Amino acid sequence: EAEVAQSPRYKITEKSQAVAFWCDPISGHATLYWYRQILGQGPELLVQFQDESVVDDSQLPKDRFSAERLKGVDSTLKIQPAELGDSAMYLCASSFFSGIATDTQYFGPGTRLTVL
Amino acid sequence: AQSVTQLGSHVSVSEGALVLLRCNYSSSVPPYLFWYVQYPNQGLQLLLKYTSAATLVKGINGFEAEFKKSETSFHLTKPSAHMSDAAEYFCAVRINTGGFKTIFGAGTRLFVKA
Repeated sequence: EAEVAQSPRYKITEKSQAVAFWCDPISGHATLYWYRQILGQGPELLVQFQDESVVDDSQLPKDRFSAERLKGVDSTLKIQPAELGDSAMYLCASSFFSGIATDTQYFGPGTRLTVL
Repeated sequence: AQSVTQLGSHVSVSEGALVLLRCNYSSSVPPYLFWYVQYPNQGLQLLLKYTSAATLVKGINGFEAEFKKSETSFHLTKPSAHMSDAAEYFCAVRINTGGFKTIFGAGTRLFVKA
């Protein structure tokens, strides 16, 4: 069964350092999502791509976060500089097409970030 | 704004007992509702989704949910809890913002006692 791949699974960094997370969606999925999940809360959408284009980044802290999906396949989320409050699980998901209300999202295992 | 509210951050049941996890939505239009499960240190997995085809929706692992418009609810149930059901459960709603965006509830952690 096809899965969404993410790496690394765990990342520990010091504040002010740069970190990057990678996601490889299910083949053929046009839509890719990055979510942030703070401990004890539900996932919050950071950025949504349709192919290589950003369709929603309204909750992305653009002063320190960036995301790209250059060829419309895999994606990288970067934080620079990291802050203590960035400690969270970063989840990537993909789906066939976000223009369908009942489109199913498939989630990767996530990257657990700890900022010291 | 459309959202979902999950009542109870923690629910504890005995093995074999009924599982009931509550979710209420706020929406001015017919909602598209979902339940996801998350096991420790893993991503979310879809349990079931409401697509307006039927008010009682059956999902994986013996779970089901009933859409009640009059109560604006979409509660998740399972007749008999198993130890392997212990996890975090999220109710979610899809909203139309040009494309569709998913808004998740805060989650309910289910504990199953032997």
